[in-house]
Amino acid sequence: DGGITQSPKYLFRKEGQNVTLSCEQNLNHDAMYWYRQDPGQGLRLIYYSQIVNDFQKGDIAEGYSVSREKKESFPLTVTSAQKNPTAFYLCASSTRTGANTGELFFGEGSRLTVL
Amino acid sequence: KQEVTQIPAALSVPEGENLVLNCSFTDSAIYNLQWFRQDPGKGLTSLLLIQSSQREQTSGRLNASLDKSSGRSTLYIAASQPGDSATYLCAVESNYQLIWGAGTKLIIKP
Repeated sequence: DGGITQSPKYLFRKEGQNVTLSCEQNLNHDAMYWYRQDPGQGLRLIYYSQIVNDFQKGDIAEGYSVSREKKESFPLTVTSAQKNPTAFYLCASSTRTGANTGELFFGEGSRLTVL
Repeated sequence: KQEVTQIPAALSVPEGENLVLNCSFTDSAIYNLQWFRQDPGKGLTSLLLIQSSQREQTSGRLNASLDKSSGRSTLYIAASQPGDSATYLCAVESNYQLIWGAGTKLIIKP
């Protein structure tokens, strides 16, 4: 079945450690996104990529990094520079047309907890 | 700056009732509006996408309407079921950005 796979589902990190969240899609979408979700708030965009080998900062990129070496994969690294990394992270892809996002499809999310 | 608001934050209704969820936005110049469903600890599932030129979209027991002039969209759920319990989020695409509401948590009581 076509979809988006995120791993791990749960991740615990000690302060000062970098962690990488995986996101893989087989929907053949060019555009992929990383969002952060905190209780009581709307989703906030961390990074997005419109095409392989290209990505752009979103609203809250500080303390995060991404790569887009393959169309199917868009991993997110949460670095030690991110001051409050405990959150639910969602990866998405879309049927992007030009500059507009189009319909979004989401993975099941990864919950990161800093100990 | 576009802002998206969903009120109430939580809603509890008996099974079988028809209900309406609200999504308000401040700038009427939108490209589209999407409704999503999120189950606890899960990702989001797209329910309906309304283009700016459309007034409504329907899928099964769900109907979403869009009134740009009043800055409002509603999600109508007919004959609610316990399985409809979830958080419902709306997102507005405006100026090439997607702006999210904080969601309405819906509980359907058996």
